Amino acid sequence: QVQLVESGGGVVQPGRSLRLSCAASGFTFSSYGMHWVRQAPGKGLEWVAVISYDGSNKYYADSVKGRFTISRDNSKNTLYLQMNSLRAEDTAVYYCAKGQGMATTSGAFDIWGQGTMVTVSS
Amino acid sequence: QSVLTQPPSASGTPGQRVTISCSGSSSNIGSNTVNWYQQLPGTAPKLLIYSNNQRPSGVPDRFSGSKSGTSASLAISGLQSEDEADYYCAAWDDSLNVVVFGGGTKLTVL
Repeated sequence: QVQLVESGGGVVQPGRSLRLSCAASGFTFSSYGMHWVRQAPGKGLEWVAVISYDGSNKYYADSVKGRFTISRDNSKNTLYLQMNSLRAEDTAVYYCAKGQGMATTSGAFDIWGQGTMVTVSS
Repeated sequence: QSVLTQPPSASGTPGQRVTISCSGSSSNIGSNTVNWYQQLPGTAPKLLIYSNNQRPSGVPDRFSGSKSGTSASLAISGLQSEDEADYYCAAWDDSLNVVVFGGGTKLTVL
């Protein structure tokens, strides 16, 4: 069935790095834009980044620009989020989500993973 | 402070009709389609409405969406206890080149 499974979360010290992965199955991964969305404990949803179906276009939230890098490997049906210079305010559940249509610049995500928790703390 | 503005809470009794508003600007709702998400406690969000008023397969027709100018609304008719959840609106913003979310509305079924 259509599924997204995140991994790579954990506890990390401020200033350190972490890489999240999102394994996709059940759909043609290489045909869709993919997003990362996060949710701090007890807070609302915050969009993080998007990558186009072929990896040629990427957009980031200002809060992570220059620190986070989104990438994908279509041969492995996997999405990544490289997070550097982590801060306490990056503490959140990180969800990967599939774009609903062909457009990269859309706020419609029709498939979500279960999320992976990232805690930035000393 | 979220770019899209939603009321923090809403409530209704079973069977009632409830609406949740989402206010934006010309660079987001005014020029792009609006999408709505439902997040039940402890679970990942679920796409409820896309392209202003389209329901994904499996979403009951009790849920409907509309958009006018720089505002959008989600309506839930025949309210049920299982509708108790957080609801978020989202849209692409052409000026910021990001997806913007509303702050979320917590719906309580009394």
